[in-house]
Amino acid sequence: ETGVTQTPRHLVMGMTNKKSLKCEQHLGHNAMYWYKQSAKKPLELMFVYNFKEQTENNSVPSRFSPECPNSSHLFLHLHTLQPEDSALYLCASSQDRGTGVRYGYTFGSGTRLTVV
Amino acid sequence: DQQVKQNSPSLSVQEGRISILNCDYTNSMFDYFLWYKKYPAEGPTFLISISSIKDKNEDGRFTVFLNKSAKHLSLHIVPSQPGDSAVYFCAASETDKLIFGTGTRLQVFP
Repeated sequence: ETGVTQTPRHLVMGMTNKKSLKCEQHLGHNAMYWYKQSAKKPLELMFVYNFKEQTENNSVPSRFSPECPNSSHLFLHLHTLQPEDSALYLCASSQDRGTGVRYGYTFGSGTRLTVV
Repeated sequence: DQQVKQNSPSLSVQEGRISILNCDYTNSMFDYFLWYKKYPAEGPTFLISISSIKDKNEDGRFTVFLNKSAKHLSLHIVPSQPGDSAVYFCAASETDKLIFGTGTRLQVFP
């Protein structure tokens, strides 16, 4: 399978639940990103991993916890979320950070998260 | 405060005509500008980019224009096709970070 694959596509969770979002890429890219897209807001960068090292945490609350076990996989662990965290969570990858801002990221289809 | 702004939430254009999508930015240090297209239930797809040292880049039906003095970016689609109906995001890069606008929904009708 090619491209960036995100699972699950949809997730409904209660505020006390713990869940994880998964992202997988088979493009040989070394940089991976989590973005959040809320209604009528720009895509917000959450985390960046470059060569498996976290290089950016954009002031994200600790109830969101990323994990990058290898350059092909990225997880976003969720716990005690709030209803305002309901959004589309997008994963993206690029060859490296510098290439990505010149030639674009490859995005997954996203996970639509609803917190109830 | 938003550094990248797309002030038109939607645009409707007849098939065969030109679609012009606009984007304004505030940071003069941005070095690359990109356009993405997003269909429902899919992730954004990279369309075209332009370096800040250029004022025009063309790829098939898509042309991006950059006016640095006005801090303005536009995407022209000629001729517009029904399959172009999607949400278009502009993005700008500073060092190695992409900052996105809120998007403009383009509808191309027959």
